Amino acid sequence: AQSVTQLGSHVSVSEGALVLLRCNYSSSVPPYLFWYVQYPNQGLQLLLKYTSAATLVKGINGFEAEFKKSETSFHLTKPSAHMSDAAEYFCAVSNPTGRRALTFGSGTRLQVQP
Amino acid sequence: DADVTQTPRNRITKTGKRIMLECSQTKGHDRMYWYRQDPGLGLRLIYYSFDVKDINKGEISDGYSVSRQAQAKFSLSLESAIPNQTALYFCATSDARTGADQPQHFGDGTRLSIL
Repeated sequence: AQSVTQLGSHVSVSEGALVLLRCNYSSSVPPYLFWYVQYPNQGLQLLLKYTSAATLVKGINGFEAEFKKSETSFHLTKPSAHMSDAAEYFCAVSNPTGRRALTFGSGTRLQVQP
Repeated sequence: DADVTQTPRNRITKTGKRIMLECSQTKGHDRMYWYRQDPGLGLRLIYYSFDVKDINKGEISDGYSVSRQAQAKFSLSLESAIPNQTALYFCATSDARTGADQPQHFGDGTRLSIL
């Protein structure tokens, strides 16, 4: 079985501040991990993915995430928040050896204050 | 044109009605998925299909059925809608040829309200 926990349903930062969105996973096998972003009235778009290569993964729009096996974490960061980063962010896990689809976390809504 | 198209985008209906949500894709992907999104719960998998003859239940399939009419089309039906099926529904696709590390591609969603 696999699961994802996103700590903090709402995160608020000032424009230009560091963004840190937390994701912890549980998986019986080494997982693949994803971060998606959802803007209002839109579907989900892929930000970045980890597939057992480099543990530090860079994505679009200046986001990156680091896979830490010892902490079972895959936190999303961005050095400097922009107003356009305001959205909902979802962490997801998949099983490389299984037939199942993605398992999503409950999401974190990011607000960026001017 | 969108790669993954969902129709309708919005629907309001009454308890007990039969509802069909449709999804079509132009990406040529084999795999298609239906999720529902509820505030605070993220996305939960309803059904998924790895090809036209391979359809599987997800974690919350009760009260739903699906039909994979063609590689490009995957519809979700609510046989007798109830208010707690009010949610935002997403269709997604992925490419089977490239494995479990392939991201899924999402439609813009159908907002369904059941009164």
